[in-house]
Amino acid sequence: DTEVTQTPKHLVMGMTNKKSLKCEQHMGHRAMYWYKQKAKKPPELMFVYSYEKLSINESVPSRFSPECPNSSLLNLHLHALQPEDSALYLCASSQDIGRVIAGELFFGEGSRLTVL
Amino acid sequence: QKEVEQDPGPLSVPEGAIVSLNCTYSNSAFQYFMWYRQYSRKGPELLMYTYSSGNKEDGRFTAQVDKSSKYISLFIRDSQPSDSATYLCAMNVEYGNKLVFGAGTILRVKS
Repeated sequence: DTEVTQTPKHLVMGMTNKKSLKCEQHMGHRAMYWYKQKAKKPPELMFVYSYEKLSINESVPSRFSPECPNSSLLNLHLHALQPEDSALYLCASSQDIGRVIAGELFFGEGSRLTVL
Repeated sequence: QKEVEQDPGPLSVPEGAIVSLNCTYSNSAFQYFMWYRQYSRKGPELLMYTYSSGNKEDGRFTAQVDKSSKYISLFIRDSQPSDSATYLCAMNVEYGNKLVFGAGTILRVKS
């Protein structure tokens, strides 16, 4: 079983809705990541938090707003999304940014988002 | 040209076959090489990782890296229907914090 927990597993929202995706890990990891994955495509990095501070934003549109309330939690706030934002959103964590070079990036099962 | 090229398949093999999955890359700075397995509607899970060149074996899985050719492989021996999944290669530079993924190869093992 994955030690990175994501909720909800499925989310359907309209273009005017505001919703949030949540991610939690209890492995003591200090780096957390949001990835977006479209069908039959590899994961694409969106954001990286290191020690609760945003360290990487891969030029993601402002309708996606990440938040890291503490070292165990990562949220992704969604507002005014477009149908093309429908995808699997994956949370991941690693011990710290340096350790990701050892491949120790643990993924959650993802939240499948559908925007109508 | 993409940094990492991977044939998306699908690759269909009979149970018990030896499977060979491959990726090529263009960035000679890549030092860390990983293989992830992703079942349908699940997150990727790390199978193997290798630093620089060489082989690494774990059970039925063997990872090979040939940096001179910029080519990596994952071999699966005695393949099982439960191995049916998408296999993603991923790479990183020294002290990097951004994995570069291949497109993923869909593998189907028929019983």
